[in-house]
Amino acid sequence: DAMVIQNPRYQVTQFGKPVTLSCSQTLNHNVMYWYQQKSSQAPKLLFHYYDKDFNNEADTPDNFQSRRPNTSFCFLDIRSPGLGDAAMYLCATSSATGSHQPQHFGDGTRLSIL
Amino acid sequence: AQSVAQPEDQVNVAEGNPLTVKCTYSVSGNPYLFWYVQYPNRGLQFLLKYITGDNLVKGSYGFEAEFNKSQTSFHLKKPSALVSDSALYFCAVRPRGTGNQFYFGTGTSLTVIP
Repeated sequence: DAMVIQNPRYQVTQFGKPVTLSCSQTLNHNVMYWYQQKSSQAPKLLFHYYDKDFNNEADTPDNFQSRRPNTSFCFLDIRSPGLGDAAMYLCATSSATGSHQPQHFGDGTRLSIL
Repeated sequence: AQSVAQPEDQVNVAEGNPLTVKCTYSVSGNPYLFWYVQYPNRGLQFLLKYITGDNLVKGSYGFEAEFNKSQTSFHLKKPSALVSDSALYFCAVRPRGTGNQFYFGTGTSLTVIP
């Protein structure tokens, strides 16, 4: 089945130690998104790629970076995690701009900071 | 500014009773409208969408939603609630034709009481 896969499902890191979360998709969608979600709140968009074009949200901290080496993979890098970065991180994909097709989400990576 | 409102943080309903989860939006144009469900430690799962046409749309797991253009609302409904419907529900809106942004509501936690 076509899907969005996030690895790992659970990640523990130390305060200030860089961490990378990964996302892959078999849907061949142009757009890939990274969201941060805290305790049953709405997902907060960090950034998204449309093909190789990177779109950062204005309020996303510089501590968060992303890479998309090809259509299938996208990575979220947190350079120096703080306690406030503990959250669920969701990857999603969608087809082209303005489409009526919904987003497809992975099951997320829950990040804990020690 | 674009916004999506879910006025109820929590909805409780008895098993077998009808349920409604409310959503209103303020997004320019005639956006596409979506409902997603999220179970604990999972990503968001697509339930249904409104594109055009009939104001009542049917989706997965017996859910349906009613679009009201004059009230800019898109309420989620189910005629007979199941305990397994207990989850977090998000309304989302995507502008037509331009951009890749999805705007999410704040979420409604649905509890179905046996």
